[in-house]
Amino acid sequence: QVQLQESGPGLVKPSETLSLTCTVSGGSISSYYWNWLRQPPGKGLEWIGYIHYSGSTNYNPSLKSRVTISADTSKNQFSLKLSSVTAADTAVYYCARGDPESSSPDCWGQGTLVTVSS
Amino acid sequence: QAVLTQPSSLSASLGASASLTCTLRSGINVGTYRIYWYQQKPGSPPQYLLRYKSDSDKQQGSGVPSRFSGSKDASANAGILLISDLQSEDEADYYCMTWHSSAWVFGGGTKLTAL
Repeated sequence: QVQLQESGPGLVKPSETLSLTCTVSGGSISSYYWNWLRQPPGKGLEWIGYIHYSGSTNYNPSLKSRVTISADTSKNQFSLKLSSVTAADTAVYYCARGDPESSSPDCWGQGTLVTVSS
Repeated sequence: QAVLTQPSSLSASLGASASLTCTLRSGINVGTYRIYWYQQKPGSPPQYLLRYKSDSDKQQGSGVPSRFSGSKDASANAGILLISDLQSEDEADYYCMTWHSSAWVFGGGTKLTAL
């Protein structure tokens, strides 16, 4: 059973870059899609983007200019960088495995809260 | 106007059926889209329930009870999640999702209360 665990700073200053890592266990990232999503406190879900095991990426157009997703197959990890953050980026960030055909998230990590504040 | 619209809340009686709707924006035909459904309980990540496009293109999530099923109402341009024999543990937020304009898009979620 694949498991995903997000890690990274819980507090980021405005205008800085948010960086998170997702460690995958119980399976290799050298297959499937790997997604990042987020959920502001008390609000709904937003898809940020994915990386395919081939290395191709796709980002939400609303965030595309600020997002980079990368993968490190040697560590079985993939990462998210979100630049120029503001308070509106405060959210629980989730990593999730994507269906091999459609990329739809089908197995999620527990999530990590990132607060943007000075 | 949002791509996917869900009622913010719904109540149903224990043992009854609950029908959760996910309405697509005017001009977007539900018949051409796969609609995905997720359940989220407080303090937990979303869990994948199922996807539905047609009776020949559907998928149940691993371990998801058959009480959860998907369908569509073409006249309402909506995807539907039907929960039969409603249990207390079904109280949760439910989100629909679809792929639109090169992005996964979510509905705002429905909070389901079991009475």
